[in-house]
Amino acid sequence: NAGVTQTPKFQVLKTGQSMTLQCAQDMNHNSMYWYRQDPGMGLRLIYYSASEGTTDKGEVPNGYNVSRLNKREFSLRLESAAPSQTSVYFCASNLAAYNEQFFGPGTRLTVL
Amino acid sequence: AQRVTQPEKLLSVFKGAPVELKCNYSYSGSPELFWYVQYSRQRLQLLLRHISRESIKGFTADLNKGETSFHLKKPFAQEEDSAMYYCALSPGSSNTGKLIFGQGTTLQVKP
Repeated sequence: NAGVTQTPKFQVLKTGQSMTLQCAQDMNHNSMYWYRQDPGMGLRLIYYSASEGTTDKGEVPNGYNVSRLNKREFSLRLESAAPSQTSVYFCASNLAAYNEQFFGPGTRLTVL
Repeated sequence: AQRVTQPEKLLSVFKGAPVELKCNYSYSGSPELFWYVQYSRQRLQLLLRHISRESIKGFTADLNKGETSFHLKKPFAQEEDSAMYYCALSPGSSNTGKLIFGQGTTLQVKP
């Protein structure tokens, strides 16, 4: 099992460009999450999907959209990238609330 | 407001010394609390959770509701413990599995 996979690993964008970060899990988990990691701020939840077909905002949703494509896949879209979105993005999943979350390897995004 | 605070950005100790990574939380209900660890070039992974009351890799953490703390302790640090440690809280009332992370503490164990 690959666990949680994320693509791409690295990305450089110019301000105003758009892109989609992909996340997939092969553990048959119900819930999936997108976090961003910034120095001195820990991980902050952007959006989450408690189950297939549902998505909800987290702590820092502005500038992002998500799609829970199916049970396996949960994508994060930046419609118009801004330098403030330079960060490392982590996808995670778990079987149910309060269970251990399993994390992907991360995507390092730089917006110039 | 729900918040997790890890007051130390960096904790540096010598091998064999005791370690305590501090975590304080702000939450009015009954939270679920976790410690996650990120070793160099590895994924973030669960170290332990308070509900399990277990010791992992020699680490323990006790939930102190009176002091709203969940400090991580190990009596004798090893070099392989060097990593970034995150304390995290899952609000008990939300049932969504959301995690609120602290800022993280880098533990550096010197030989």
